[in-house]
Amino acid sequence: EAGVAQSPRYKIIEKRQSVAFWCNPISGHATLYWYQQILGQGPKLLIQFQNNGVVDDSQLPKDRFSAERLKGVDSTLKIQPAKLEDSAVYLCASSLDAPAGYTFGSGTRLTVV
Amino acid sequence: LAKTTQPISMDSYEGQEVNITCSHNNIATNDYITWYQQFPSQGPRFIIQGYKTKVTNEVASLFIPADRKSSTLSLPRVSLSDTAVYYCLVFLYNQGGKLIFGQGTELSVKP
Repeated sequence: EAGVAQSPRYKIIEKRQSVAFWCNPISGHATLYWYQQILGQGPKLLIQFQNNGVVDDSQLPKDRFSAERLKGVDSTLKIQPAKLEDSAVYLCASSLDAPAGYTFGSGTRLTVV
Repeated sequence: LAKTTQPISMDSYEGQEVNITCSHNNIATNDYITWYQQFPSQGPRFIIQGYKTKVTNEVASLFIPADRKSSTLSLPRVSLSDTAVYYCLVFLYNQGGKLIFGQGTELSVKP
């Protein structure tokens, strides 16, 4: 079984620039999550999709962050404009609709300078 | 929202059994206890999940008492490669399967 694919692996941008991350979940996984992990902290949930609908985006800074999941498969997370405090690893995860483990991707490490 | 509390760090030696205890006082009836392992520069990896009593797989055991207010992850005979951060989470079944991460326990295995 292929894992959760994320790209790019690393990204360095200047503050106020925009950036986009891409995630391809495991085939058949209806639920997709984006997490933000700041160095030394546990991952923080940003947004949860069920197929192509948003289930929870209560912790997504909507003034600068946006996410979409087209056709209930791939997803993109965008930051515009980026701030220094957005420097973090952005993790994508997917799961089946049952009490089961999530599968996480390796993440995209964003550095904002 | 169910929160978990676990030790920030633990030290162990190769070959020892390591037990990491987590408290989750306000866990709901349908919620599951889940543990993840994370190495530097990698995403968290699922280890084990349970609802009550004991669950065992090829890498770990999970002990959950009857009141379900705590749980213990047991790693038998750890090796240097088990050095990682371990997260105890509550799988919020009635909230669409949401997972809320805490600070995690940084396990250091020494030779």
